[in-house]
Amino acid sequence: AQSVSQHNHHVILSEAASLELGCNYSYGGTVNLFWYVQYPGQHLQLLLKYFSGDPLVKGIKGFEAEFIKSKFSFNLRKPSVQWSDTAEYFCAVIRFSGGYNKLIFGAGTRLAVHP
Amino acid sequence: EPEVTQTPSHQVTQMGQEVILRCVPISNHLYFYWYRQILGQKVEFLVSFYNNEISEKSEIFDDQFSVERPDGSNFTLKIRSTKLEDSAMYFCASSENGNEQFFGPGTRLTVL
Repeated sequence: AQSVSQHNHHVILSEAASLELGCNYSYGGTVNLFWYVQYPGQHLQLLLKYFSGDPLVKGIKGFEAEFIKSKFSFNLRKPSVQWSDTAEYFCAVIRFSGGYNKLIFGAGTRLAVHP
Repeated sequence: EPEVTQTPSHQVTQMGQEVILRCVPISNHLYFYWYRQILGQKVEFLVSFYNNEISEKSEIFDDQFSVERPDGSNFTLKIRSTKLEDSAMYFCASSENGNEQFFGPGTRLTVL
């Protein structure tokens, strides 16, 4: 079955620690990849996206992600987290078929950053 | 910055009642979506809508569900006879090109 897997359900870090959240997908062919963030009580916001080109993409708030096609992975990274990064992070994939594409989400990773 | 809006933010209903969840997509967007997130679970696709018709729907989107774009600005999700298991956060999203999707704040539906 087509799926998106996020390896960690809960991550706890101290401020200034580095972050890497794993994401793997099971589709072949062309995909568009996304990371969304959901801060407590707020809606889903796009952190970054990959469609094509440079596999290292930079997003908002110092986040970046690397697309490794051979590993079907799109891991999210941030060198130094802040308390305000406490949120739930969702990896999502669109399997490119043109037109009205649905997002397939991973289960999410809940990140808690302690001061 | 334009954004997707949803009303109400929280809807409480009795089992068997009909509910209509409303969304106002970003004005120049052509693709519209509903997703839901049951508490503690992943965000799941329900339906996509383009050119005034459903373009794809999931197996969750059974005959109890319907969508409509009644007036060119609103995009609604109707659940005809709610069940306890319909309790979830419902997210509307819109897209200009069918790829990058912008989400609304969600409606929390509680079925008692």
